[in-house]
Amino acid sequence: DIQMTQSPSSLSASVGDRVTVTCRASQSIDNFLNWYQQRPGKAPKLLIFAASSLQSGVPSRFSGSGSGTDFTLTISSLQPEDFATYYCQQSYSTPYTFGQGTKLEIK
Amino acid sequence: QVQLVQSGAEVKKPGSSVRVSCTASGDTLNTFAISWVRQAPGQGLQWMGGILPMFGTTNCAQEFQDRVTMTTDESTTTIYMELSSLRPEDTAMYYCAREGRDPRAGMGYWGQGTLVTVSS
Repeated sequence: DIQMTQSPSSLSASVGDRVTVTCRASQSIDNFLNWYQQRPGKAPKLLIFAASSLQSGVPSRFSGSGSGTDFTLTISSLQPEDFATYYCQQSYSTPYTFGQGTKLEIK
Repeated sequence: QVQLVQSGAEVKKPGSSVRVSCTASGDTLNTFAISWVRQAPGQGLQWMGGILPMFGTTNCAQEFQDRVTMTTDESTTTIYMELSSLRPEDTAMYYCAREGRDPRAGMGYWGQGTLVTVSS
C-alpha cells in the first residue's frame, strides 16, 4: 500500500495568513493526488484534484502543487471558514490512502 | 446537481451485520465508481473499497475483503455496502463518495454519512 504522510499534523494561524500543508507519498504517484477539506460534523469536500486542479466552486485562494512524491496545499489568505482539517489522498492505485490529516486552528 | 443520500444511523451488536445504502439524485451512478470511506470517532479517513455500478465490479482494501459486500440495485441509482462480523472498532461514520471518470479527478460528491455504532 502507498503511505501518505502529511505535515504538520496541526497548525495555528490567523485570518489573512498564508499557510502551506505538505504531503509525501511513499512512492511516486505522478499527479494522482487530491486534497480535501473537512469541517467538524461534515463530509469531506474535494478542493484540489490531480495535484493542482481547482475543483469547481472552490475559492482561488486554494492552490496545489507537486508531482511524484512531494505535494503541497497552499491557502494564500486564510478566511474564517478555512479553519478545518485537510487531508491528502492518492488515487494512483488501490487501496486509495489518505494522509493522517492537518488540523488548521485559529491562533 | 448530483446528490448522494445515505441511509440513517444504525446501532448494532457485535457479530451482526449492517447494510448502508447510498442513493443518487440528479444523475445515475452508472458510469462512475463509488467508494466507501469510513472515519472512526476523532480519527482520519480510511478507504474501504469501491464499486463500478455499470459492471458490478468491486475492489476492496485487504483489511475488509472478507467482511465487505458492495452491490447495486438494477437501476444503479442505489449502492449498498454491507459489513459483517461487526466489532466495536467498526464504530464509525461511513461515507459513500462518487469518483470522477478519471482516477485523477478525485471524489467530488459525498453522501452525508451514516453513523454505525457497534455496542453490546
